[in-house]
Amino acid sequence: AQTIHQWPVAEIKAVGSPLSLGCTIKGKSSPNLYWYWQATGGTLQQLFYSITVGQVESVVQLNLSASRPKDDQFILSTEKLLLSHSGFYLCACARDRGASDYTFGSGTRLLVI
Amino acid sequence: SQLAEENLWALSVHEGESVTVNCSYKTSITALQWYRQKSGEGPAQLILIRSNEREKRNGRLRATLDTSSQSSSLSITATRCEDTAVYFCATDRNMGYKLTFGTGTSLLVDP
Repeated sequence: AQTIHQWPVAEIKAVGSPLSLGCTIKGKSSPNLYWYWQATGGTLQQLFYSITVGQVESVVQLNLSASRPKDDQFILSTEKLLLSHSGFYLCACARDRGASDYTFGSGTRLLVI
Repeated sequence: SQLAEENLWALSVHEGESVTVNCSYKTSITALQWYRQKSGEGPAQLILIRSNEREKRNGRLRATLDTSSQSSSLSITATRCEDTAVYFCATDRNMGYKLTFGTGTSLLVDP
């Protein structure tokens, strides 16, 4: 079974500062990968998905970008954080290509001040 | 707009009781899933039920799907304190590339 490691576990960052969050998948080759964002007490909103190295599709525009530099790695970043970026960021991996049941990582808690 | 939503924001039951969480959705789907998210953790999938299925079980969990009324339910029998979590339904209509989550129902199981 695949495992997902997200880093860092938590961050406190200043408005206007850059951000980079990472996600590494083990136990699955060529996985479909996803970034989700969750406001405190809110639902999960899909941000990006990637089905192969170097290819990322944006689902919503939140002044964030994503990249897939390696088959097992997915990066979420921005050059300038906003207060509205605070929340819980989750990386997910699909069980199989075309499958919609996901395994989620343990998330990164971000507070922008 | 919400493509899937649970019908109640919060529920509270005593340990040992049964509880049902409901979900309605607004578009055609290929599958509906139920996830559980405990505080501070990522969601964990409980059940996936495809559009051609009417019921699916997983231990103490039972999910139903009614495509005519575009609704689903998740029942938990013999609840335990560790069932305390937020329960989300999620729908997929795009070959797995976009899984849309509902707003979630917070379940509290009291000892």
